[in-house]
Amino acid sequence: DAKTTQPNSMESNEEEPVHLPCNHSTISGTDYIHWYRQLPSQGPEYVIHGLTSNVNNRMASLAIAEDRKSSTLILHRATLRDAAVYYCILRDVVSPIDMRFGAGTRLTVKP
Amino acid sequence: ETGVTQTPRHLVMGMTNKKSLKCEQHLGHNAMYWYKQSAKKPLELMFVYSLEERVENNSVPSRFSPECPNSSHLFLHLHTLQPEDSALYLCASSQAWPVTGTQYFGPGTRLLVL
Repeated sequence: DAKTTQPNSMESNEEEPVHLPCNHSTISGTDYIHWYRQLPSQGPEYVIHGLTSNVNNRMASLAIAEDRKSSTLILHRATLRDAAVYYCILRDVVSPIDMRFGAGTRLTVKP
Repeated sequence: ETGVTQTPRHLVMGMTNKKSLKCEQHLGHNAMYWYKQSAKKPLELMFVYSLEERVENNSVPSRFSPECPNSSHLFLHLHTLQPEDSALYLCASSQAWPVTGTQYFGPGTRLLVL
């Protein structure tokens, strides 16, 4: 099974960009890369997802390596409200139950 | 009320008790999920109901029994649990297609088994 690896924790200063890396060296061709985040005392919330091309939305950008073995979630200007655990998830389009969560990266944002 | 709601938010039960967790979604979705989040472990997908069909994760012990009476409601029936089952149980919903669609999570039920 493909797995993801993420740093346990990262720190950022408020108003600065944050790059959260994820390695998924055994990704298959049918795996989408999803990012969710979990704020304290809440369930996870969707951030962004992609397959091969880089993606942008109002929350973040997703940069996917050309070989798809790694990806980076980019928060363009971190705020205190972005402090959360960020999960990099591989979602197999063939099998809906095949959700593989990483351990997540705990992002701390300093004022 | 909008989104995904879960009740109760907190539950303490003994190993011989029988209890049920409830999840309700008001998003018009037709797929619902149960997840388990233990301390210092990744989220584990337990069960999926999609278009009223259950897709089961075979590694889930039989002391956990899901029920999905309709597309808006999901239950997790608990009986003879063990202390290691103490965790945060999260419910989520999505559209059944595409299968990679966004999942919306509830706030979770924090369960303590004594």
